[in-house]
Amino acid sequence: DAEITQSPRHKITETGRQVTLACHQTWNHNNMFWYRQDLGHGLRLIHYSYGVQDTNKGEVSDGYSVSRSNTEDLPLTLESAASSQTSVYFCASSESRPGSTDTQYFGPGTRLTVL
Amino acid sequence: RKEVEQDPGPFNVPEGATVAFNCTYSNSASQSFFWYRQDCRKEPKLLMSVYSSGNEDGRFTAQLNRASQYISLLIRDSKLSDSATYLCVALLTGKLIFGQGTTLQVKP
Repeated sequence: DAEITQSPRHKITETGRQVTLACHQTWNHNNMFWYRQDLGHGLRLIHYSYGVQDTNKGEVSDGYSVSRSNTEDLPLTLESAASSQTSVYFCASSESRPGSTDTQYFGPGTRLTVL
Repeated sequence: RKEVEQDPGPFNVPEGATVAFNCTYSNSASQSFFWYRQDCRKEPKLLMSVYSSGNEDGRFTAQLNRASQYISLLIRDSKLSDSATYLCVALLTGKLIFGQGTTLQVKP
């Protein structure tokens, strides 16, 4: 079955370290998204991509970067982790074709703690 | 002002009750609307899309009022398994804007 996976599921790191969170989908979706979810804020968009080599900043992109070298993967990198980046991170993907409902399918999430 | 606003609750209701959640959105250019369900510490999953004409899926009814920029979700005959957080979502320029979520606890 097609799916979207994230790894690692849990990560503890130290302030200042570079961290990369992986996201992989097998639906062949063009669109991929990264969100963070914090109490009191709901899900907020970090970065998104509409296809290979396309990346765009979302609402809370500072301190994060993404790259899209193939359809299946959109890794999220924290260049220098900060305690404010402790959060739950969700990756999502959706189709991009006329008539699609833009339904986004979410991965299981990565719980990141920055000490 | 948040772009999508919901009452965070929690709503505590007995099994069998009818419960309604409301949501408002600020950008009239929002194109589509959805309700997502999120169980504790899990990923959000699409519950249903919301159409201007209103739509029903079993015990769930969603309504959209574009004039008032208001969306609702009605759950009839609540089950214990309905306990979750319900996220109101607007689609704007290809991106989903999430409300904070409304927590529902259905008690036996």
